[in-house]
Amino acid sequence: QKEVEQDPGPLSVPEGAIVSLNCTYSNSAFQYFMWYRQYSRKGPELLMYTYSSGNKEDGRFTAQVDKSSKYISLFIRDSQPSDSATYLCAMIENNAGNMLTFGGGTRLMVKP
Amino acid sequence: GAVVSQHPSWVICKSGTSVKIECRSLDFQATTMFWYRQFPKQSLMLMATSNEGSKATYEQGVEKDKFLINHASLTLSTLTVTSAHPEDSSFYICSAVGTPGRNWQFFGPGTRLTVL
Repeated sequence: QKEVEQDPGPLSVPEGAIVSLNCTYSNSAFQYFMWYRQYSRKGPELLMYTYSSGNKEDGRFTAQVDKSSKYISLFIRDSQPSDSATYLCAMIENNAGNMLTFGGGTRLMVKP
Repeated sequence: GAVVSQHPSWVICKSGTSVKIECRSLDFQATTMFWYRQFPKQSLMLMATSNEGSKATYEQGVEKDKFLINHASLTLSTLTVTSAHPEDSSFYICSAVGTPGRNWQFFGPGTRLTVL
């Protein structure tokens, strides 16, 4: 079993839809949670990061962490075709410095 | 801030040759840089971690003599793929950490290597 599980998709939604992307994890030592967006043939771009359980909002994006369930989510409101990309969740253990453990990524397609 | 560049963005080489990829932090000093490899439709696989002025730490299964990493300064790390073979063809991505007050890795745009 992988430490971080993420549905690979592809997830296809119409423009304007609310998108929900999720990851589950098994290592209770993970304390920092990040979402990266990766366009085709580009490097990942940091979208959001959170530390504690709860919600964090940034524009159309909301990151949610539930440590008791070991479950994190990224919600995208009013999705746009430009949101079409692969979304990677990533986590850091409390005492692991900057070492990231990635999920496999979910490919999202937003159709006009 | 926190911009990381890679050069070249795309390289094609013949089997048996060596290829050097540069990773630069443009607006901050990177105490640590990471090198990843990514195959199509797969997630990033960490190859090695490099700290400025010290030897790189390689992940299990990564040949250190084949993938030479040099982190000679706080803004530059290089990955040299020695005696490249077609199976080394992949997307290589670096990341850097070091922005004061932040722990996050910032990624370069990647280098696509094709070995003929």
